[in-house]
Amino acid sequence: QQQVKQSPQSLIVQKGGISIINCAYENTAFDYFPWYQQFPGKGPALLIAIRPDVSEKKEGRFTISFNKSAKQFSLHIMDSQPGDSATYFCAARGSGGQNFVFGPGTRLSVLP
Amino acid sequence: DSGVTQTPKHLITATGQRVTLRCSPRSGDLSVYWYQQSLDQGLQFLIQYYNGEERAKGNILERFSAQQFPDLHSELNLSSLELGDSALYFCASSVVSGQGYGYTFGSGTRLTVV
Repeated sequence: QQQVKQSPQSLIVQKGGISIINCAYENTAFDYFPWYQQFPGKGPALLIAIRPDVSEKKEGRFTISFNKSAKQFSLHIMDSQPGDSATYFCAARGSGGQNFVFGPGTRLSVLP
Repeated sequence: DSGVTQTPKHLITATGQRVTLRCSPRSGDLSVYWYQQSLDQGLQFLIQYYNGEERAKGNILERFSAQQFPDLHSELNLSSLELGDSALYFCASSVVSGQGYGYTFGSGTRLTVV
């Protein structure tokens, strides 16, 4: 129940295309859902986050879509660029400010 | 720059040995979170300290321990090391930014056990 599932494991997209990464959870007590971006040799960096009472949040080319009834959320990267090539992690936080549980990650490669 | 400092960046040691990883959290942040990142396990929460006290414990082995000092830096001690302990170890501070609430991670310590 504490797991967050993430797919695909890896993704290759052409420059200018849309990258879509999906996550799913079982624990209905999760109350906050961030996404992280990690470049090689660096720690994960907070990218964008959403609360379950919001269905969509957009930050520039990055959009989170959230489906509470399906217990799924996804990250869309519009107009993907080679500089977006990184590993992306979804995460979820238990209610009461518990620590974050991370998905296994998606390695995104954007071809020039 | 996340403001979280970890040392050393790389560590190579033999099985059975003990190592200490160090973390200085973001200035003013009382919390420190330790995570282990391995290829097959992803990011696994180990332990959290808040103002010197243990706040939460995750999948931390008994061979591992941590503490947070009065100056808020933290150390993660790994003993009786096994090959499977080879991983990236991150510490993090909490952050509230335009992106929302989450963690800001240090650059990590890459531990290789040979």
